[in-house]
Amino acid sequence: DADVTQTPRNRITKTGKRIMLECSQTKGHDRMYWYRQDPGLGLRLIYYSFDVKDINKGEISDGYSVSRQAQAKFSLSLESAIPNQTALYFCATQGEYLNQPQHFGDGTRLSIL
Amino acid sequence: AQTVTQSQPEMSVQEAETVTLSCTYDTSESDYYLFWYKQPPSRQMILVIRQEAYKQQNATENRFSVNFQKAAKSFSLKISDSQLGDAAMYFCAYRSGDNNDMRFGAGTRLTVKP
Repeated sequence: DADVTQTPRNRITKTGKRIMLECSQTKGHDRMYWYRQDPGLGLRLIYYSFDVKDINKGEISDGYSVSRQAQAKFSLSLESAIPNQTALYFCATQGEYLNQPQHFGDGTRLSIL
Repeated sequence: AQTVTQSQPEMSVQEAETVTLSCTYDTSESDYYLFWYKQPPSRQMILVIRQEAYKQQNATENRFSVNFQKAAKSFSLKISDSQLGDAAMYFCAYRSGDNNDMRFGAGTRLTVKP
């Protein structure tokens, strides 16, 4: 089983719909992250969380919200989806030390029509 | 904010040859960490190699090595004896030593020709 699991793998939806992307991990890491990937822009940080009670905005948080339901679960919501939120979304986890790499899920490809 | 630049959107290499992917970054910090990630068509993000800024010795992982030039703020990835399975998008990433800020470059798409 994957250490970091994202659901769904792919999603197509319409403008204005509420969307939730889910992430769960079995690595026991406190730190979790949400990124979006766009062609030519690399990965950009949306939100991150260091523990259940700690949520922080990243570089591009507008239009998104998150919920850290437990150490192992971190979900990303688009309250009212718009076409320019079409992207590949990644969840990642990280151990305690900054020299440790981030571990990524397999991504959710989201298309908003 | 720190920026990471990968100046080569696409690169191509013949199987068994060597290729170098470029990465430069802009920072005023002295303590930071650098990473190269590989993203094959399956879209997984796979760590290739990492480098701590305080270490002068260049990191090596089998066929992958880096040329870390701290003064020039350069962190290039060398792939030796290229294999078909090396074909992927490669991302360079910078993480601050003071906070959680992690920045990615735009990526370089590597094609390996048989």
